[in-house]
Amino acid sequence: AQSVAQPEDQVNVAEGNPLTVKCTYSVSGNPYLFWYVQYPNRGLQFLLKYITGDNLVKGSYGFEAEFNKSQTSFHLKKPSALVSDSALYFCAADSGNTPLVFGKGTRLSVIA
Amino acid sequence: EPEVTQTPSHQVTQMGQEVILRCVPISNHLYFYWYRQILGQKVEFLVSFYNNEISEKSEIFDDQFSVERPDGSNFTLKIRSTKLEDSAMYFCASIGTGSYEQYFGPGTRLTVT
Repeated sequence: AQSVAQPEDQVNVAEGNPLTVKCTYSVSGNPYLFWYVQYPNRGLQFLLKYITGDNLVKGSYGFEAEFNKSQTSFHLKKPSALVSDSALYFCAADSGNTPLVFGKGTRLSVIA
Repeated sequence: EPEVTQTPSHQVTQMGQEVILRCVPISNHLYFYWYRQILGQKVEFLVSFYNNEISEKSEIFDDQFSVERPDGSNFTLKIRSTKLEDSAMYFCASIGTGSYEQYFGPGTRLTVT
């Protein structure tokens, strides 16, 4: 069965510092990996995806993620966090036109 | 930028009542999905829909649930007889041909009392 793990419920980081939100996956076949962000009372907003090609993918709002096949990881990163980045972040995976499997989410809190 | 819309934003209903949640996917998208998120828990897949029929469903999607695309633009999720445990945020998503990312609507918060 496919699964996505986000080992941290909460990540706290000071504004201006780099941030990392961790994600590991278990998908049969080649994984399609995604990050979504959810602001309070809002839907899921697409940030970035990895389908194939370069392991480092860049997305919206300065976020990037690195696909590591050997570690089955797809950690979300940003070089310099903003207070406005505070939100709930979901990692998700599928194997191509299959339903997304989501991690439980990680709440990011950026402190001024 | 085109977006997925959902109505209502919040629905309160009594246990045993029927509810219909509505979604308008992005106009040229062909694959449609419903997911739900119980408060504080992960987002879970309910059902996918393509070419006017269900293509895949989860074990959550039992006989109390149904989906329909009645008029070529709306995509609805019906719960025939709601239970307390159906209280959740319900998200609609759509995806276009040749694309990989699903676009999500803002969700409908369903509260069953």
